[in-house]
Amino acid sequence: GAVVSQHPSRVICKSGTSVKIECRSLDFQATTMFWYRQFPKKSLMLMATSNEGSKATYEQGVEKDKFLINHASLTLSTLTVTSAHPEDSSFYICSARFGHGGREETQYFGPGTRLLVL
Amino acid sequence: GQSLEQPSEVTAVEGAIVQINCTYQTSGFYGLSWYQQHDGGAPTFLSYNALDGLEETGRFSSFLSRSDSYGYLLLQELQMKDSASYFCAVSSASKIIFGSGTRLSIRP
Repeated sequence: GAVVSQHPSRVICKSGTSVKIECRSLDFQATTMFWYRQFPKKSLMLMATSNEGSKATYEQGVEKDKFLINHASLTLSTLTVTSAHPEDSSFYICSARFGHGGREETQYFGPGTRLLVL
Repeated sequence: GQSLEQPSEVTAVEGAIVQINCTYQTSGFYGLSWYQQHDGGAPTFLSYNALDGLEETGRFSSFLSRSDSYGYLLLQELQMKDSASYFCAVSSASKIIFGSGTRLSIRP
């Protein structure tokens, strides 16, 4: 299957700092990337949809100025958590899809980034 | 909007069969997917149903009834390594939305 990588896999930072997470599709060009957040023992909550070369579409309740998304190329999307606070501590997972949402397509998930804000 | 319902927990015995149900409400439905997630790991894709019927992949099978907005994941010959959370997810043209997950615990 397709491979999606995330970096870093784990990050610990002080409250008030910004953290950048990278998501890369390694063997295919992803027209769309998705960012999810998952709290312990909870489901994956879609934060935003990122299309290459255009602004991200944020889900209701997600602050776009807090979670900056840049989809600079067909293989790279970044999520920046600005001025992180302890309540932002979570597991952040990206996924990538090639094509344009055809009925037979699925998403390929990265390994996730565990963020701990002290 | 979109919503999915699945049981929060299921317990089964090693070697047995277990079925995890999922009902959904959505507009612009493309298909129903199933993902497995072990503690501390990322979700891994198990199956995808776009049409009614049963899809079999080894010990795992997935079923979809579009008219009933219902699907299930069937796990056979359960092994201890199958202990994990299982998520159903509905796909539309723009995104995939996940259910709350079913925690599967397997007893020896």
